[in-house]
Amino acid sequence: SYELTQPPSVSVSPGQTASITCSGDKLGNKYACWYQQKPGQSPVLVIYQDTKRPSGIPERFSGSNSGNTATLTISGTQAMDEADYYCQAWDSSTVIFGGGTKLTVL
Amino acid sequence: QVQLVQSGAEVKKPGASVNVSCKASEHTLTTYYMHWVRQAPGQGLEWMGIINPSGGSTSYTQKFQGRVTMTRDTSTSTVYMELSSLRSEDTAVYYCAREYVDTTMVTSFYYGMDVWGQGTTVTVSS
Repeated sequence: SYELTQPPSVSVSPGQTASITCSGDKLGNKYACWYQQKPGQSPVLVIYQDTKRPSGIPERFSGSNSGNTATLTISGTQAMDEADYYCQAWDSSTVIFGGGTKLTVL
Repeated sequence: QVQLVQSGAEVKKPGASVNVSCKASEHTLTTYYMHWVRQAPGQGLEWMGIINPSGGSTSYTQKFQGRVTMTRDTSTSTVYMELSSLRSEDTAVYYCAREYVDTTMVTSFYYGMDVWGQGTTVTVSS
């Protein structure tokens, strides 16, 4: 079965750039999405179709997807961006989530 | 504003079934795919299955085949997820979420789960 692999944790200093990766076999041939989830809250879509931001998502969130890796980049990271982030893709009519990455802003 | 409003928390005994509802705004169920996703305490997101807007057909991940049933009632704009033969490992927050998928072309275009319900906590305990 298809798998998406994320690092369990990423740390970043305020104002710096955070990059969270998501790896899967030929992931670049699929569309990747990214979700942000804060404690006790429902997930929020921050990137879809690899690079697109839904309305209301700050410009500091961006995405890319090529080869076997999709990347979520947060430029000028703010304390409010501290959260869990999940990548997601479709594979053979099935939805796959990555294991999630805890982003710590310190 | 589009919302998905889920039913309240449930406490069930092992072996029982639980039925979680998710009420959407008008036309959502006939336009958007409706997903069910769960999250066990301290764990990640786990996809359970989906209801297709065209005709209401369903697709479940293999893990839940035979134990989960997803249905919809377009007259009340509500989708339901029933999970049977509950065990302690089914203790989790269950979410519904919608996704628009453009299937008009040869390649489908997926738009991500852009609206989520507030979650329903299901606790399985003897």
